[in-house]
Amino acid sequence: DVKVTQSSRYLVKRTGEKVFLECVQDMDHENMFWYRQDPGLGLRLIYFSYDVKMKEKGDIPEGYSVSREKKERFSLILESASTNQTSMYLCASSLPGGSYNSPLHFGNGTRLTVT
Amino acid sequence: DQQVKQNSPSLSVQEGRISILNCDYTNSMFDYFLWYKKYPAEGPTFLISISSIKDKNEDGRFTVFLNKSAKHLSLHIVPSQPGDSAVYFCAAQRNSWGKLQFGAGTQVVVTP
Repeated sequence: DVKVTQSSRYLVKRTGEKVFLECVQDMDHENMFWYRQDPGLGLRLIYFSYDVKMKEKGDIPEGYSVSREKKERFSLILESASTNQTSMYLCASSLPGGSYNSPLHFGNGTRLTVT
Repeated sequence: DQQVKQNSPSLSVQEGRISILNCDYTNSMFDYFLWYKKYPAEGPTFLISISSIKDKNEDGRFTVFLNKSAKHLSLHIVPSQPGDSAVYFCAAQRNSWGKLQFGAGTQVVVTP
C-alpha cells in the first residue's frame, strides 16, 4: 500500500514564524501535491510537483512556497505564518498520468494553528 | 469562486437504505469526475470516478451518475452501512491531466 507520511499531526505556531510542513511518500511516485482543507471550501490546491526540483503553482499559492530536493519528499513552507493560514494541510502523491488515471494518495494531514 | 458545489453539508440515512449525494459544477469544460471519501483523522481516499463519455459507473455498492446537460452528478450508495459514515468529496478536472477542483464535502451519517 502507498504510504504518505506527514511529519506532524498538530502544529501551533505564532504569527510571523517560518513554518515547514514535511511530507514523505514511499512508493516512488513522480507527482506530489499540497492541499489545504477548510470548512465550506473543500480541498484547495496550493502547489504541486511533477518531478524533483520542479514545482507548479496551484489555485492558492500566495504566502506559500515548496521544495522538492528528493523524489520522495515534498515540503511546504510558510515564510511568515499568518492567522488566515490556520487550516488542515494535506499532502498527496500519485503516479504520472493525471488524477483520473492515477488517483491521489493522501497523508493523514497536519492541523496547523497560527496564533 | 467554487466550480464544484456540494450544496448539502450533511446527510443522515438509516442502515440498509440508499444514500444519494449530489454534486453540481459550473465549468462545462470538466471531463472527468471523481469521488473521494474521508474518515476523521485520515486523508481522503479515492472511491469511484466517471468520464464525460459515460453517464453511469458502478463499483459494488457505489454508483456514480453523470448528467452533463444539467452539469450534475450524484453518488448512490446501496445499501448504506455504518462504515460508510464519512465525508464525501466530489472533484472534477478538465482533462485527464488537469488539476482537480474539489467540492466542500458532504458528511454522511449512517444510523443503525
